[in-house]
Amino acid sequence: DIQMTQSPSTLSASVGDRVTITCRASQSISSWLAWYQQKPGKAPKLLIYKASSLESGVPSRFSGSGSGTEFTLTISSLQPDDFATYYCQQYNSYHGTFGQGTKVEIK
Amino acid sequence: EVQLVESGGGLVQPGGSLRLSCAASGFTFSSYSMNWVRQAPGKGLEWVSYISSSSSTIYYADSVKGRFTISRDNAKNSLYLQMNSLRAEDTAVYYCARDRSGKDAFDIWGQGTMVTVSS
Repeated sequence: DIQMTQSPSTLSASVGDRVTITCRASQSISSWLAWYQQKPGKAPKLLIYKASSLESGVPSRFSGSGSGTEFTLTISSLQPDDFATYYCQQYNSYHGTFGQGTKVEIK
Repeated sequence: EVQLVESGGGLVQPGGSLRLSCAASGFTFSSYSMNWVRQAPGKGLEWVSYISSSSSTIYYADSVKGRFTISRDNAKNSLYLQMNSLRAEDTAVYYCARDRSGKDAFDIWGQGTMVTVSS
């Protein structure tokens, strides 16, 4: 199975900061990558699909890039509502493996 | 409103069985592939199983293969997960999730149902 590795595991940042999270795949997944946001006690929410396509209704401060094995999620100006855990997921195979998550905390 | 609502979770003893259901509304259920994803307490997300719109294609994570069975009833707009031979490590919140289109990202998620395997 394809393994997904996110870094960092935890990130401390302030409102207004530019934040970048990295996700690496154990083999090429082309652009078949999604990013999700999850808040405590809630279901995940799709932010980005196909590596860089913004899901409808998601603020434009979120962006994704990359292809092959290396991908990034960028939040251009962190807002109070953005403190959450973020997961990448590959869907190159039907076994839609997730990364281990990156928790974005208030600095 | 597009919605997925899971039910059927609860406390079960090791070795026991449980059947989860996911009721879909607000969209043409029969046109979408569906998945089950779980999250153990304090842990990350783990994909569990996939079923295509017509049930012709089914996949399982190695951790549940041979013990769990995914199915759907398009006439009832419902997705199911039959879980047998349950283990303590199956304890998790179970979410059903819709593929955007075919093999794709998961755009709609249910609220989750908690399964606890303990004696």
